[in-house]
Amino acid sequence: QVTLKESGPVLVKPTETLTLTCTVSGFSLSNARMGVSWIRQPPGKALEWLAHIFSNDEKSYSTSLKSRLTISKDTSKSQVVLTMTNMDPVDTATYYCARSTNQGFDYWGQGTLVTVSS
Amino acid sequence: EIVMTQSPATLSVSPGERATLSCRASQSVSSNLAWYQQKPGQAPRLLIYGASTRATGIPARFSGSGSGTEFTLTISSLQSEDFAVYYCQQYNNWPTFGGGTKVEIK
Repeated sequence: QVTLKESGPVLVKPTETLTLTCTVSGFSLSNARMGVSWIRQPPGKALEWLAHIFSNDEKSYSTSLKSRLTISKDTSKSQVVLTMTNMDPVDTATYYCARSTNQGFDYWGQGTLVTVSS
Repeated sequence: EIVMTQSPATLSVSPGERATLSCRASQSVSSNLAWYQQKPGQAPRLLIYGASTRATGIPARFSGSGSGTEFTLTISSLQSEDFAVYYCQQYNNWPTFGGGTKVEIK
């Protein structure tokens, strides 16, 4: 059974750095046909892709947020970590991690709501 | 960046009726197009990939068509559980999502 679960702070202050962890089970982060993305959704708004990490550790980032994002993985712990620097209230959103194959995002975590406020 | 545009923003449909949702890409994405359903408080659920292939467990009333820049999701006979927001997403390049279409009860 494939599952993904996000964890991290529910509240961060402006200018702080956000660190989110996605813990996966039911598949390996070393599987060549799969990767993991982070996607966010501000309240009442559409989905926005943020970053992706491939099994070979290659990374890709949203062009608009690239300077603030870092994605990494620990295959032995089955975890993918996203850091986002210089948080702002506009970054308030539900953050999802999702498994990616050549068939789109087939499994998603439940999401974690992160609020940016002083 | 490939921009995905969905229309209409809101679609009012009666149960049992047909719903047709559109998605347009700013440049060709071939058939690298997926559709997702999202209900309030839930994560998106993959419905269609490859523009027209239903994901595992998706009922046959959901169908996708199109290629290049124009795509359509059709729900042949709306059930109560189908009222939700639907997103298209291209994966021909780095992923981008459309703005969503809300299917509401008429």
